[in-house]
Amino acid sequence: DTEVTQTPKHLVMGMTNKKSLKCEQHMGHRAMYWYKQKAKKPPELMFVYSYEKLSINESVPSRFSPECPNSSLLNLHLHALQPEDSALYLCASSQLRDRANEQYFGPGTRLTVT
Amino acid sequence: KNQVEQSPQSLIILEGKNCTLQCNYTVSPFSNLRWYKQDTGRGPVSLTIMTFSENTKSNGRYTATLDADTKQSSLHITASQLSDSASYICVVSPRARFQKLVFGTGTRLLVSP
Repeated sequence: DTEVTQTPKHLVMGMTNKKSLKCEQHMGHRAMYWYKQKAKKPPELMFVYSYEKLSINESVPSRFSPECPNSSLLNLHLHALQPEDSALYLCASSQLRDRANEQYFGPGTRLTVT
Repeated sequence: KNQVEQSPQSLIILEGKNCTLQCNYTVSPFSNLRWYKQDTGRGPVSLTIMTFSENTKSNGRYTATLDADTKQSSLHITASQLSDSASYICVVSPRARFQKLVFGTGTRLLVSP
């Protein structure tokens, strides 16, 4: 299994809603990542988890709250988002001991905040 | 500052023709360079990955080259197909603990029938 899955594919939420994005991989990767991608722009790193612990937080607003309940799952909890948070949210995973550290990306969740 | 620049920004070619996309980087120290294909609204899919010791790598109709001295890479697409229409992103990985990737802004390719 060389796939990273993400659910839901699309999400529309109001600014007062609470929702969660989910990511799952069964490749035994111990590093997992959240990226945000606006249209026609490259992905921007948000968070990195290493061995289920938060290793990097790229100064992301607290309305985004990541969680890594186990080595296969990564969640992103959303609360009180703004319309400018609308974007494609990508999850990725990689082997920590892989010298090339190739990241495998999921298909993304298209988020629209109304 | 670590940067990756790609050219052209966008490209339209006829089906069946070849094309070459360019990538210049200033990332140091360098670990590897990857080319990803990204369809609109979808996640990036890896095409090739090269370390500094590799000059060329092929994946079907895609051939990537790397010149670590001049810090340039190219992606050559042979006999283009309509399904090649996508954004092609050059990504460089520095040799750092968590290897935060440096993304180029991509080349948007449209293959026209």
